[in-house]
Amino acid sequence: DSGVTQTPKHLITATGQRVTLRCSPRSGDLSVYWYQQSLDQGLQFLIHYYNGEERAKGNILERFSAQQFPDLHSELNLSSLELGDSALYFCASSMGTFSGNTIYFGEGSWLTVV
Amino acid sequence: QQQVKQSPQSLIVQKGGISIINCAYENTAFDYFPWYQQFPGKGPALLIAIRPDVSEKKEGRFTISFNKSAKQFSLHIMDSQPGDSATYFCAVTKSGNTPLVFGKGTRLSVIA
Repeated sequence: DSGVTQTPKHLITATGQRVTLRCSPRSGDLSVYWYQQSLDQGLQFLIHYYNGEERAKGNILERFSAQQFPDLHSELNLSSLELGDSALYFCASSMGTFSGNTIYFGEGSWLTVV
Repeated sequence: QQQVKQSPQSLIVQKGGISIINCAYENTAFDYFPWYQQFPGKGPALLIAIRPDVSEKKEGRFTISFNKSAKQFSLHIMDSQPGDSATYFCAVTKSGNTPLVFGKGTRLSVIA
């Protein structure tokens, strides 16, 4: 158990809908990262928050947004969903911002768009 | 543009054999090279990592070999066991607020 908690574990929704994925980082970790995993693209970095502030953005679509709350949990919002958004979404956390810190991944949220 | 290229995509190794997975990168500014292991239904977990000031790091049956001039690094799994069957990802990053960039993964199957 990495200590990173993600909910829901599985989600099936229709095209055009909006979903929210939730992440609780490990106790004491200030950084939260979101990654998308698909068969053809592997693990793609989406966004990084540190102590409530956005620190880096990757290949995140404009239809997607995220935030980190004062209690350090994070939410990834996916809207106007398309079939191609079906993927496994991982949240990860680490103590600091330096990527040399060990990053701990949650078990992911499986999103299926039908 | 892929920042790190990983090969092979899949690998089948006999129990007791050596599994070798390779990664190549372009950006010489990268200074942290971890390998992550992912079992089905789980998130990736850090297995072993190396910095460019050493050419090799060993932890148990797992060894990273690092070739700075060739901009390549590899994971060697000695005495491979069925329990090692998983997907392995190499990753690269550089000091500062830079996220990990992952290779596309290698699915390893160790057969008895």
